[in-house]
Amino acid sequence: IAGITQAPTSQILAAGRRMTLRCTQDMRHNAMYWYRQDLGLGLRLIHYSNTAGTTGKGEVPDGYSVSRANTDDFPLTLASAVPSQTSVYFCASSQSTGRSYEQYFGPGTRLTVT
Amino acid sequence: AQSVTQLGSHVSVSEGALVLLRCNYSSSVPPYLFWYVQYPNQGLQLLLKYTSAATLVKGINGFEAEFKKSETSFHLTKPSAHMSDAAEYFCAVSQTGANNLFFGTGTRLTVIP
Repeated sequence: IAGITQAPTSQILAAGRRMTLRCTQDMRHNAMYWYRQDLGLGLRLIHYSNTAGTTGKGEVPDGYSVSRANTDDFPLTLASAVPSQTSVYFCASSQSTGRSYEQYFGPGTRLTVT
Repeated sequence: AQSVTQLGSHVSVSEGALVLLRCNYSSSVPPYLFWYVQYPNQGLQLLLKYTSAATLVKGINGFEAEFKKSETSFHLTKPSAHMSDAAEYFCAVSQTGANNLFFGTGTRLTVIP
């Protein structure tokens, strides 16, 4: 059972370049999420998707876009990377959007924008 | 509005000593509360959750937490620390739904042999 996989594990990216972080889950969860983790700030929600075909903005959505073409995949795209997007990015999923449902996290992608 | 505050960004305990990690929440409705653990270079893993049933919640690896409405707290405890408990711990609150899960800034636990 893989759970959630993320790719790449880490990446160094030049400012201005486009980058897509990949996330795939095999649990058939309806909801998926993207967070960024920065020292001293905890995890902040970037975008979410309650079900395939729908997406929503989280706390820090600027500079990022997502799509949810099917249940399993939820890619995060940085159209034109900036150094402030240097962070560790976590994808997560939950069975449903009810507030009792815990989120399951992938191993993360460490992104450095130079 | 909902938020969590974790007092102490770093906590050190001796092996075998009590672990106490503090979490206070703010919520305009009865909250659902979660504790997650993050081991180095890994994602977050659920330790336990409170969903308005029993106020004392038992989780994995010997951890437990008690919901105290009067104190708006959900502190995490373990009677005896083990070296393998060294990690970062995050408290989170959900008020309206899973896509509104707000995390605290985390507490790094160090266990001293």
